[in-house]
Amino acid sequence: DTAVSQTPKYLVTQMGNDKSIKCEQNLGHDTMYWYKQDSKKFLKIMFSYNNKELIINETVPNRFSPKSPDKAHLNLHINSLELGDSAVYFCASSQVPTNTIYFGEGSWLTVV
Amino acid sequence: TQLLEQSPQFLSIQEGENLTVYCNSSSVFSSLQWYRQEPGEGPVLLVTVVTGGEVKKLKRLTFQFGDARKDSSLHITAAQPGDTGLYLCAGAVVGRGSTLGRLYFGRGTQLTVWP
Repeated sequence: DTAVSQTPKYLVTQMGNDKSIKCEQNLGHDTMYWYKQDSKKFLKIMFSYNNKELIINETVPNRFSPKSPDKAHLNLHINSLELGDSAVYFCASSQVPTNTIYFGEGSWLTVV
Repeated sequence: TQLLEQSPQFLSIQEGENLTVYCNSSSVFSSLQWYRQEPGEGPVLLVTVVTGGEVKKLKRLTFQFGDARKDSSLHITAAQPGDTGLYLCAGAVVGRGSTLGRLYFGRGTQLTVWP
């Protein structure tokens, strides 16, 4: 059973398009995250939700909009995609306060 | 601002050698974690250390948390090709939202072990 699953795994799209990445966790965790990993492998937090409430919102363009319909799901919608958005996006979850984060397998986004 | 500095950034060694990866900061952490990420996958937790001076062993891997809880090291004995991967340290900073699960990641050490 996959603990944190995200779809799609690969996404190639043109500049200016709008796309979404979906994420689900079956661990019963209260907190979910979106991380971005750039080409140099640096992993940086974008958003965090705790029980459907946004608690961390780093300096991210407002073209990125997370949505959490329930505490097991956290989706990421990106408007007007730009070349610089190309990266691997990881969904993750944790049960605070252990802070142990469980990552999904990542979604490889390529904007052309 | 990079809260956690990892070194070295790249490490390429032969099977059987020993190695140490360092994770340093000027900030104090309530806990520090080490993850390993393999190509095409997400990071997977290896260990969490929470007490200053703590040492944890995971087979051939030894993790140490500094006495002041500002740094950590990962030592691998007799490295094997299966140890190849990206090793990431991540810290929860005291007084900066650590109870909300915020972790700050280092830039990682890419380890390659050749047979």
